[in-house]
Amino acid sequence: NAGVTQTPKFQVLKTGQSMTLQCAQDMNHEYMSWYRQDPGMGLRLIHYSVGAGITDQGEVPNGYNVSRSTTEDFPLRLLSAAPSQTSVYFCASRDPGAGDQPQHFGDGTRLSIL
Amino acid sequence: GNSVTQMEGPVTLSEEAFLTINCTYTATGYPSLFWYVQYPGEGLQLLLKATKADDKGSNKGFEATYRKETTSFHLEKGSVQVSDSAVYFCALLTNTGNQFYFGTGTSLTVIP
Repeated sequence: NAGVTQTPKFQVLKTGQSMTLQCAQDMNHEYMSWYRQDPGMGLRLIHYSVGAGITDQGEVPNGYNVSRSTTEDFPLRLLSAAPSQTSVYFCASRDPGAGDQPQHFGDGTRLSIL
Repeated sequence: GNSVTQMEGPVTLSEEAFLTINCTYTATGYPSLFWYVQYPGEGLQLLLKATKADDKGSNKGFEATYRKETTSFHLEKGSVQVSDSAVYFCALLTNTGNQFYFGTGTSLTVIP
């Protein structure tokens, strides 16, 4: 019963490096989202997807790319890491079928950019 | 537009004290409302939800009532425990079922 799995749990990067944060869910959920969590700002939506092959921007998409080639996976790519991207990143998924289904969250990736 | 406003933290309470964390929302139509809890080092977990006006969500001794007239969804617990120490997030799901909006979170520390 894995739910939403994020890897890695921790990562330190240098400014300018690129990397991919992985997210996988085994609940066959159509909707998946990426958030960042910063002190005093709660959760801010980066990108989201309503199904395989479909992605859209959230509130803070700059500097990030996503793709959704399968229902299960929704990786988040940092193109050229900047210190402002130091944050905790959460992936979430949900089943939109019943309308009011909650989101299921992974345990997060704690990312530091030096 | 849609938004969620939570009371500022941090909140520190003694064990067995009464807890209230205020949450108000702005939304078009009739959203669903949620409380999530985040324990240290973990992701957010659903605590309770309510889908229509006057519904009461409850779980683990926590309760919240969907008040449409005051656009509020305050979280309450009659007697907190040390294990309730966490960050609590209020959230709404738009009536189209497409997008969540989260409050900024309220940190709760319960001391023995």
